[in-house]
Amino acid sequence: DAKTTQPPSMDCAEGRAANLPCNHSTISGNEYVYWYRQIHSQGPQYIIHGLKNNETNEMASLIITEDRKSSTLILPHATLRDTAVYYCIAKEGLNDMRFGAGTRLTVKP
Amino acid sequence: DGGITQSPKYLFRKEGQNVTLSCEQNLNHDAMYWYRQDPGQGLRLIYYSQIVNDFQKGDIAEGYSVSREKKESFPLTVTSAQKNPTAFYLCASSIGRAAEGTGLNQPQHFGDGTRLSIL
Repeated sequence: DAKTTQPPSMDCAEGRAANLPCNHSTISGNEYVYWYRQIHSQGPQYIIHGLKNNETNEMASLIITEDRKSSTLILPHATLRDTAVYYCIAKEGLNDMRFGAGTRLTVKP
Repeated sequence: DGGITQSPKYLFRKEGQNVTLSCEQNLNHDAMYWYRQDPGQGLRLIYYSQIVNDFQKGDIAEGYSVSREKKESFPLTVTSAQKNPTAFYLCASSIGRAAEGTGLNQPQHFGDGTRLSIL
């Protein structure tokens, strides 16, 4: 599975959109991009995933570049409860999830 | 509600003891996974099972054992051979091989973890 690179930390003002980038320049054609988040002392929470089209659900939007070498997770109106570590993972099929260090997002009032 | 239940939430072990962590899911998922997380780090795969009565070692299986006698259950035993067992243990499940096409890329869903400490 492709390696992903994320900034170690980001801040966002409450009520603003949080845009979390992820680089996956070696992603293969069959690998999906998954986003999870983890709040301290809890299990990772699935957010969204996609292959090449942009995806949106009730939690977030996922924007994948046309060349699929990077993606952005968008939380449209961040709240204090969105403060967490966000993980971007590239994975194909039944391979296991490879969690890196992620991005620590802090939403500030 | 469907989900993954891990118990207990906190567990303490004395030196030389084996302990078993429970993981139960009612999502009708075929695949189940055990991960370990150390402070400030990502998850590392211990064992996984794609189907009942079958399981494979992950990256850090030494000192651990599992069983998969029922579809819903995937208990993890931390043996006395595991020299540094203090960690946060996470269980996950996914649809697995029963799915076809894009179903193979369905996400894993996680429990809330068990925090194991050595007394």
